[in-house]
Amino acid sequence: DARVTQTPRDKVTEMGQEVTMRCQPILGHNTVFWYRQTMMQGLELLAYFRNRAPLDDSGMPKDRFSAEMPDATLATLKIQPSEPRDSAVYFCASGRGGRTDTQYFGPGTRLTVL
Amino acid sequence: AQKITQTQPGMFVQEKEAVTLDCTYDTSDPSYGLFWYKQPSSGEMIFLIYQGSYDQQNATEGRYSLNFQKARKSANLVISASQLGDSAMYFCAMRGLQGGSEKLVFGKGTKLTVNP
Repeated sequence: DARVTQTPRDKVTEMGQEVTMRCQPILGHNTVFWYRQTMMQGLELLAYFRNRAPLDDSGMPKDRFSAEMPDATLATLKIQPSEPRDSAVYFCASGRGGRTDTQYFGPGTRLTVL
Repeated sequence: AQKITQTQPGMFVQEKEAVTLDCTYDTSDPSYGLFWYKQPSSGEMIFLIYQGSYDQQNATEGRYSLNFQKARKSANLVISASQLGDSAMYFCAMRGLQGGSEKLVFGKGTKLTVNP
């Protein structure tokens, strides 16, 4: 049963520290999405990639967030420096691309910034 | 722009009964896709069902069916024969299918509680 994997599952850090979240998409999926879930804003897209190239990062605060795909099996989301308002659950999702593509979500990384 | 509205913050249903979770949407896209996801207390997002705006028939997946009424812009999820394991948050989402971003736009969700 192929699944998206994310690490770490939980992360507690102090304000100002760098945070790196990792995602392994489902093998064969060429599109990777990063979403953030908060109580106030709900689920929002931060960025997404196809074939490792960024297609849309308009939802991502550019000054502190960065997203990359070093290779087809790894996507990373970094926050530097982290702030308390970044506390949220960060989901990675992957899909095959295409108009009717379904996005399959990973278990999420719960980030708490103190 | 796309918008999803889920007006039921919480719903209760007795085990083995059917329940309908409401979802209305707004979009200027001529073709679009509608999705439902389940988020149990463990936190993962589980894909349940998909409906394309061009599909002639309502989508079904096991105990899940989608009551799609295009003219009313609604895409309600029907869960038949509810089980205790169906207790979770349910999110309706959509995306446009003709160019533009492939992001999913989500509603705020409905918390379903199945009572024994």
